[in-house]
Amino acid sequence: DTAVSQTPKYLVTQMGNDKSIKCEQNLGHDTMYWYKQDSKKFLKIMFSYNNKELIINETVPNRFSPKSPDKAHLNLHINSLELGDSAVYFCASSQDLRYEQYFGPGTRLTVT
Amino acid sequence: SQQGEEDPQALSIQEGENATMNCSYKTSINNLQWYRQNSGRGLVHLILIRSNEREKHSGRLRVTLDTSKKSSSLLITASRAADTASYFCATDSNSGYALNFGKGTSLLVTP
Repeated sequence: DTAVSQTPKYLVTQMGNDKSIKCEQNLGHDTMYWYKQDSKKFLKIMFSYNNKELIINETVPNRFSPKSPDKAHLNLHINSLELGDSAVYFCASSQDLRYEQYFGPGTRLTVT
Repeated sequence: SQQGEEDPQALSIQEGENATMNCSYKTSINNLQWYRQNSGRGLVHLILIRSNEREKHSGRLRVTLDTSKKSSSLLITASRAADTASYFCATDSNSGYALNFGKGTSLLVTP
């Protein structure tokens, strides 16, 4: 069984559109994350969320919003997509920050 | 801000050789982790070393940590073509809510 899954794997859309990426983990972890990996493979944290607290990286535009319907899911919603949003987005989960993180397969977003 | 910096950026070796990658970081940490990313895939956790540990082994992997120099190394012994991937170090951030990843070392192992 897949530990951390993301859908879709590929997403191609036009500027100005709104899109969502879904993430689910079946590990029973308390904390989930969203990362953005740019074309140079630099991985940057966007959000960290557990059932008590959402922590947002202050550099992330407010067009990006995480939504968690329950502990096993953390979806990423993006409004008014821009060309610079093109990247690979990874969801991850962990028991907490002291432990290893488990990553999803990534969603390659292309904004045209 | 980015915490870890891997060195070298790219490494090319032949099967059977050892590969060594280094990571430097800037501020105090609780733990340091190494991850592998195969092309087009997600990151896979390899090993975690805590700040009070100096060395850790896992199969063909050996990780060292020198907190006085704020550096870590990952050694892969007897490399295989399947080890071809990007390797990232990650440290827990000052804010305590996320990992900070370096830019990675791209390893190519040729048969």
